Amino acid sequence: SQQGEEDPQALSIQEGENATMNCSYKTSINNLQWYRQNSGRGLVHLILIRSNEREKHSGRLRVTLDTSKKSSSLLITASRAADTASYFCATDAGDYKLSFGAGTTVTVRA
Amino acid sequence: DAGITQSPRHKVTETGTPVTLRCHQTENHRYMYWYRQDPGHGLRLIHYSYGVKDTDKGEVSDGYSVSRSKTEDFLLTLESATSSQTSVYFCAISEWAGSSYNEQFFGPGTRLTVL
Repeated sequence: SQQGEEDPQALSIQEGENATMNCSYKTSINNLQWYRQNSGRGLVHLILIRSNEREKHSGRLRVTLDTSKKSSSLLITASRAADTASYFCATDAGDYKLSFGAGTTVTVRA
Repeated sequence: DAGITQSPRHKVTETGTPVTLRCHQTENHRYMYWYRQDPGHGLRLIHYSYGVKDTDKGEVSDGYSVSRSKTEDFLLTLESATSSQTSVYFCAISEWAGSSYNEQFFGPGTRLTVL
């Protein structure tokens, strides 16, 4: 069964606004990763946060991790039309595999 | 799509026929994975490989087999295709870097339709 679950399933925002999505998971992890998938394409790695980290930034992306609540959030600031995509969290429990959630579909309106 | 190709990119087949999908990498990464993606389910792991001739099952392996005879190629075979195997299949690769890092790189996907 899937480890991560994203919330919300879909999100529609205006260009320039921030987008926040959450991921909850069930078991202990080594790290948690976020991926983006544009329509009809493969997934692209965005950012990784290790279990001993609480927050990480990469450009307009901010990721937080709360291991006590087994949850993570991805914030995209100042969204652009090009951010329209599906976003997936993936958990790495240290067993050579990743477990993906069902994803959040983000639509950025011009 | 960083040195990963999948073939074919699209395939339509009939129930009961065998189908083989190919993943080819030029990155010399040790780990290779096959996922299927269906609406509402995200990506689910079918099989993975941690070296030549070393493979293991994922969460949805029934009806699928894999082989890896060379570092660069990982084949996924549907032994007798069923309509429930209609899906988009993704191959991914990674290189284990220590005990806590496993970023995966994905191929472009194969859209398979079983009639």
